Amino acid sequence: QKEVEQNSGPLSVPEGAIASLNCTYSDRGSQSFFWYRQYSGKSPELIMFIYSNGDKEDGRFTAQLNKASQYVSLLIRDSQPSDSATYLCAVRGGGADGLTFGKGTHLIIQP
Amino acid sequence: EAQVTQNPRYLITVTGKKLTVTCSQNMNHEYMSWYRQDPGLGLRQIYYSMNVEVTDKGDVPEGYKVSRKEKRNFPLILESPSPNQTSLYFCASSSDRGYEQYFGPGTRLTVT
Repeated sequence: QKEVEQNSGPLSVPEGAIASLNCTYSDRGSQSFFWYRQYSGKSPELIMFIYSNGDKEDGRFTAQLNKASQYVSLLIRDSQPSDSATYLCAVRGGGADGLTFGKGTHLIIQP
Repeated sequence: EAQVTQNPRYLITVTGKKLTVTCSQNMNHEYMSWYRQDPGLGLRQIYYSMNVEVTDKGDVPEGYKVSRKEKRNFPLILESPSPNQTSLYFCASSSDRGYEQYFGPGTRLTVT
């Protein structure tokens, strides 16, 4: 059974600071890694994906992947109140299967 | 506008009464998937389809059926709903199983 683990939070971060979200996964053969943001009562929306070890930056967001340690993280710089949401980590394995999601981290940006 | 639509958005039904939740996408995506989301359990995949007439079980397929007769549609069928299927359901599609999935708006189902 593939597992994706996230700290459920809530993670409280002051406005303007860096929010750091972490995720670990059990399947060493995992190929693709995604971060989704979900506002309360809404559907998940993709904000970042990463396939290779290292960092990937997109605006205020940076995804970091370390396959040897089996963890992926998301950094949000200059956090805004509008970043307050639940962040879901998702992992795709190496076989012909779908995504496995973590349970999400609830992030609160304090004005 | 590229989108995934689901109907109905809200449904209250009784145990044992067959129901279908429809899902349609207009992006010509090959890959479609159904998830349920429950408090404390997160998003769990029910079924997925890699193309027309190709479907496979996800992590929690018991009590559900799907079909993929057309590329754009992927209905979720509950033949005999039970209260433990009360949940928020999402349909999603992508051009490939490994790429960005676009989610529908969700269907909140209550089975009494």
